[in-house]
Amino acid sequence: GQQLNQSPQSMFIQEGEDVSMNCTSSSIFNTWLWYKQEPGEGPVLLIALYKAGELTSNGRLTAQFGITRKDSFLNISASIPSDVGIYFCAGQLTRDDKIIFGKGTRLHILP
Amino acid sequence: DAGITQSPRHKVTETGTPVTLRCHQTENHRYMYWYRQDPGHGLRLIHYSYGVKDTDKGEVSDGYSVSRSKTEDFLLTLESATSSQTSVYFCAITGAGVRDGYTFGSGTRLTVV
Repeated sequence: GQQLNQSPQSMFIQEGEDVSMNCTSSSIFNTWLWYKQEPGEGPVLLIALYKAGELTSNGRLTAQFGITRKDSFLNISASIPSDVGIYFCAGQLTRDDKIIFGKGTRLHILP
Repeated sequence: DAGITQSPRHKVTETGTPVTLRCHQTENHRYMYWYRQDPGHGLRLIHYSYGVKDTDKGEVSDGYSVSRSKTEDFLLTLESATSSQTSVYFCAITGAGVRDGYTFGSGTRLTVV
């Protein structure tokens, strides 16, 4: 079945640093989604991408829909303590298809 | 908030007992999903529903059943709980034509002892 390979699995960074994570697939998707999960809560949508090559920002977060439609990237600039959590990428081929989730990148921020 | 609640939030149960988790939505969305989340495995789909009384299996459905008798409620039942079913369970919803993926509940942490 379809799988998303998300990397890295975990990251330890200093507060103030920029963060980059990515998601790749052997299959194409027409929608890419990035979610964040904080401890004790469900994942919450951060950014949705609908077009190959699209670059979308949400505050300090920027995500890109890869031109091949097989990958996506998330960058966080100037990290702060509240950025801690698990970041999931997700892909969807059509709106009638189930969403496929990556296994997540766990972000730790050192004081 | 999107109007999705899960109950209970926490439960401890004994091996071999049946357990039912509830997902309730006030959005009148057609699609509802049950996932489990375990370290190293991410989110894995257990069962999903595309309408009242219409359900289907996901990738890890063994040992679980679901029912949807009303649009707003999607129940997940562990027929005879095992320790391997200790996990955090999430419900998610989306509607026909909804563009922005799924909305998740806050989860149920289930411990089987």
